[in-house]
Amino acid sequence: DTGVSQDPRHKITKRGQNVTFRCDPISEHNRLYWYRQTLGQGPEFLTYFQNEAQLEKSRLLSDRFSAERPKGSFSTLEIQRTEQGDSAMYLCASSRTGGGSPLHFGNGTRLTVT
Amino acid sequence: GENVEQHPSTLSVQEGDSAVIKCTYSDSASNYFPWYKQELGKGPQLIIDIRSNVGEKKDQRIAVTLNKTAKHFSLHITETQPEDSAVYFCAALEDSGAGSYQLTFGKGTKLSVIP
Repeated sequence: DTGVSQDPRHKITKRGQNVTFRCDPISEHNRLYWYRQTLGQGPEFLTYFQNEAQLEKSRLLSDRFSAERPKGSFSTLEIQRTEQGDSAMYLCASSRTGGGSPLHFGNGTRLTVT
Repeated sequence: GENVEQHPSTLSVQEGDSAVIKCTYSDSASNYFPWYKQELGKGPQLIIDIRSNVGEKKDQRIAVTLNKTAKHFSLHITETQPEDSAVYFCAALEDSGAGSYQLTFGKGTKLSVIP
């Protein structure tokens, strides 16, 4: 169990640019989640996948955000036309399927939009 | 949707003392309550969780209690050590197995253990 891996750890971008983050879940986990965390707050749910299917999206996930998990393994989260309000920590988590399977989080990608 | 309130927002204790963090939730259908510890620059790490069919769970110095009637749950850390210093988050989930798996988190408690 190598844990959930996220890349990059930090990203600084100018407003209006597109950014893409990658998440590699724990290998035997078929559920993958994206959360966003701003300073002083708890993580907020964005979306989750079961295998390659995106099963749920939060209203926080505007049309500038898109997530994919093409082969049911790694996932990418893309933000188009970034805004300063997108500055946050983007956390990925994974779990097994089934009742009460705990979520295991990665160390996140910290995005700063200037 | 679910709403989770967490108190206190900051907590300072002397090393060796106990620390208690309390959370309340709004959705009576919630049945899974994990606690996470987050250190600076890292993601949240699960430390203990409890399901609605039990009232208490212990793991060494950490315990969680759940009162479903009152819709609140608490984290208890005994014999605190400096390495317990971190931000702690409670969370709640209705785990019906039907597909939705949105954990709702509290705003966190910054615990400082003073040597």
